[in-house]
Amino acid sequence: GAVVSQHPSWVICKSGTSVKIECRSLDFQATTMFWYRQFPKQSLMLMATSNEGSKATYEQGVEKDKFLINHASLTLSTLTVTSAHPEDSSFYICSAPLAGVSYNEQFFGPGTRLTVL
Amino acid sequence: GQNIDQPTEMTATEGAIVQINCTYQTSGFNGLFWYQQHAGEAPTFLSYNVLDGLEEKGRFSSFLSRSKGYSYLLLKELQMKDSASYLCAAMDSNYQLIWGAGTKLIIKP
Repeated sequence: GAVVSQHPSWVICKSGTSVKIECRSLDFQATTMFWYRQFPKQSLMLMATSNEGSKATYEQGVEKDKFLINHASLTLSTLTVTSAHPEDSSFYICSAPLAGVSYNEQFFGPGTRLTVL
Repeated sequence: GQNIDQPTEMTATEGAIVQINCTYQTSGFNGLFWYQQHAGEAPTFLSYNVLDGLEEKGRFSSFLSRSKGYSYLLLKELQMKDSASYLCAAMDSNYQLIWGAGTKLIIKP
């Protein structure tokens, strides 16, 4: 099956710093990738849709200047949390749909656990 | 608005059968997904339904009724490793997934 990787798996940073999370599709090309955030005991919350070669589409309430998304190639999307604060601590998950399959199944990366001190 | 409803938590016994229900309201419909998520891990795909009826895959089956906006995930011969959260998600007309809050399934020996 299709594989999506994320790096890093976990990161601890100081308040005010920026953190970059990478999402890679390892064995397929992904023109679209999705970034989710998940707080403990809650479901996935879509933050933004990353589109290769164009600007990301952000969901309502998600600050585009705080959560910078770059989809530079067909296999890589990055999410940068700028000026991180403790309330940004969460589990960040990316996913990529496998185009060409009849139902556009999304394959998830393993997630990145961010802790902001 | 778009909405997915599923129970917050369910408890079942090892070896038994459990059914997790999900109702949905979306703008357009392009299918219903079930994902399994163990604590601290990303979701993994279980099933997809777009036509009415039952799809069986080993110990897991998923059912869809489009007219009722209803789906269920049926887990048979429960094993301790099935303890996880089960996420229901409906795909809307823009091919975006609308997620339920997940059902935490607790399996007891």
